Amino acid sequence: SAVISQKPSRDICQRGTSLTIQCQVDSQVTMMFWYRQQPGQSLTLIATANQGSEATYESGFVIDKFPISRPNLTFSTLTVSNMSPEDSSIYLCSARTGGGLTEAFFGQGTRLTVV
Amino acid sequence: TQLLEQSPQFLSIQEGENLTVYCNSSSVFSSLQWYRQEPGEGPVLLVTVVTGGEVKKLKRLTFQFGDARKDSSLHITAAQPGDTGLYLCAGGRRTGTASKLTFGTGTRLQVTL
Repeated sequence: SAVISQKPSRDICQRGTSLTIQCQVDSQVTMMFWYRQQPGQSLTLIATANQGSEATYESGFVIDKFPISRPNLTFSTLTVSNMSPEDSSIYLCSARTGGGLTEAFFGQGTRLTVV
Repeated sequence: TQLLEQSPQFLSIQEGENLTVYCNSSSVFSSLQWYRQEPGEGPVLLVTVVTGGEVKKLKRLTFQFGDARKDSSLHITAAQPGDTGLYLCAGGRRTGTASKLTFGTGTRLQVTL
């Protein structure tokens, strides 16, 4: 199993600013992902965080808006850049130790409000 | 884009009632997982099913994977307030780019006394 610590847990930010969310896993994991979720709704994958290389982004998400780092097997950051109210959402970090049949572990999420 | 449609979107029932949540797709998945998420927390895995027609039971929860591996259902018997939460199905592939999970649209369940 893996325990994921995500911070901050919530923040209120001014439009035009940037926020970096940190994700720390208590063990080495193969894969790390970043999701966005509106309260009570499904998860939308933003990108796969690749260790030592550029993240792989899903359609509709770009590196300039959501730069991601993953310097090692246990840590990743997601930055939400030049924020607007439309970026208000819950951002979740996830980690998996293997391929399609393995469990996905999640952080508790970061609730972001942009004003 | 592979979509997983869940129904119903929202369900409010009383303690002791039974319910079924459905997860449907036009795509085949190697595995199907069900997660439950409570407010302020991340989703937590309930079960993984991998074989077409497979049925798994977890106390009062029964999960089934469709024969064609395109759909799944979650049945809860005698629901309790502790079952309240957002239920998400997620389809996985054995191979493929980064072995991503595709999450369903979600079902919000509220169980009242």
